[in-house]
Amino acid sequence: EAGVAQSPRYKIIEKRQSVAFWCNPISGHATLYWYQQILGQGPKLLIQFQNNGVVDDSQLPKDRFSAERLKGVDSTLKIQPAKLEDSAVYLCASSTYGTQPQHFGDGTRLSIL
Amino acid sequence: TQLLEQSPQFLSIQEGENLTVYCNSSSVFSSLQWYRQEPGEGPVLLVTVVTGGEVKKLKRLTFQFGDARKDSSLHITAAQPGDTGLYLCAGHIKRGFQKLVFGTGTRLLVSP
Repeated sequence: EAGVAQSPRYKIIEKRQSVAFWCNPISGHATLYWYQQILGQGPKLLIQFQNNGVVDDSQLPKDRFSAERLKGVDSTLKIQPAKLEDSAVYLCASSTYGTQPQHFGDGTRLSIL
Repeated sequence: TQLLEQSPQFLSIQEGENLTVYCNSSSVFSSLQWYRQEPGEGPVLLVTVVTGGEVKKLKRLTFQFGDARKDSSLHITAAQPGDTGLYLCAGHIKRGFQKLVFGTGTRLLVSP
């Protein structure tokens, strides 16, 4: 089966600019996750969707980050405006449902200048 | 607040040596997973442990879940350069829904 697809792989922007990431989960996976992974650390959950509804966004900086999952399939994560501390790898993962193994994409590496 | 602390943070060993990575918390987890992540890739699931005291083996890797379901360990026997990577533990906690919390990570380098 095809894995989780993410794009772009790399993005370099200046602070205060905006950026968007895209994720296409494994077909049939109802649960989709966005994680932020700062260099040398473990991933931190930003938001979890169940189909097109938000289950948990308690660690999403809502003043600058937003995410949506249209029609319960693809998802986009947006940062506007970006700050230097947003430099990280943004990982998308999906699972059949909440407690099942998560399958990760290869991530988008974001650098803020 | 980091719920899961891993130790050591970094480990550099020679091929053939044994090692143990620890994952500790004050919280109880319904299950615990171990992932390995290589540069430029997402984490890949190695194992899930569910029962307190459970031991699972995956070739040269042995995973143990603590009796109280608060901690876990990963033991690698006769490490090989292919074992190099970032090892992450992750625990499921239930707060109305199941949430997966990742540990701080252990970076392993195995030299030939």
